[in-house]
Amino acid sequence: DTGVSQNPRHKITKRGQNVTFRCDPISEHNRLYWYRQTLGQGPEFLTYFQNEAQLEKSRLLSDRFSAERPKGSFSTLEIQRTEQGDSAMYLCASSPTGPAGDGYTFGSGTRLTVV
Amino acid sequence: GQNIDQPTEMTATEGAIVQINCTYQTSGFNGLFWYQQHAGEAPTFLSYNVLDGLEEKGRFSSFLSRSKGYSYLLLKELQMKDSASYLCAVRLDSNYQLIWGAGTKLIIKP
Repeated sequence: DTGVSQNPRHKITKRGQNVTFRCDPISEHNRLYWYRQTLGQGPEFLTYFQNEAQLEKSRLLSDRFSAERPKGSFSTLEIQRTEQGDSAMYLCASSPTGPAGDGYTFGSGTRLTVV
Repeated sequence: GQNIDQPTEMTATEGAIVQINCTYQTSGFNGLFWYQQHAGEAPTFLSYNVLDGLEEKGRFSSFLSRSKGYSYLLLKELQMKDSASYLCAVRLDSNYQLIWGAGTKLIIKP
């Protein structure tokens, strides 16, 4: 297992277009998280899955954002009708069930630029 | 609301010791994490404290005082590669998400 994998690494899109990102977590991890990070800030929570169930979604997440984890393995994050304010690094992380003593493992992120 | 405070930037000399502080005021507490993040890269896990006291891991140590809402990360024998942002994050009781500080940018000078 090579860790958490995200693709694409970079995405440039025109305002109004839809984009989809993919995250492949560590195979034995059943928890998966999506975060968004802008320059000079810490990551901001977007949503969280345990297996295929989406257990929590940030109130900050507009209805243009949707995430799925259909078989409890990989996850996708879709942004519809992108806006310039969506430009950020989108980070995926996974963790096992139980005490999080080992922390969350992050992927390398997808950097989105909306022009 | 949730609040985590860290200094924005610190400068230290190669070979020296630096302490990065983090204070938090959150509605719950189920552990505090420190992560390192190099520019343009994802955060990488450094340490986790859930009980009061000091956790040591090689050149890095992390301390927690729950009664004071305070933690610090201590970096010894600084190397140039330690130049990065250091993020403090708190896990809340009823959620599995982490609440993050804005990070402390550490600049190491020769």
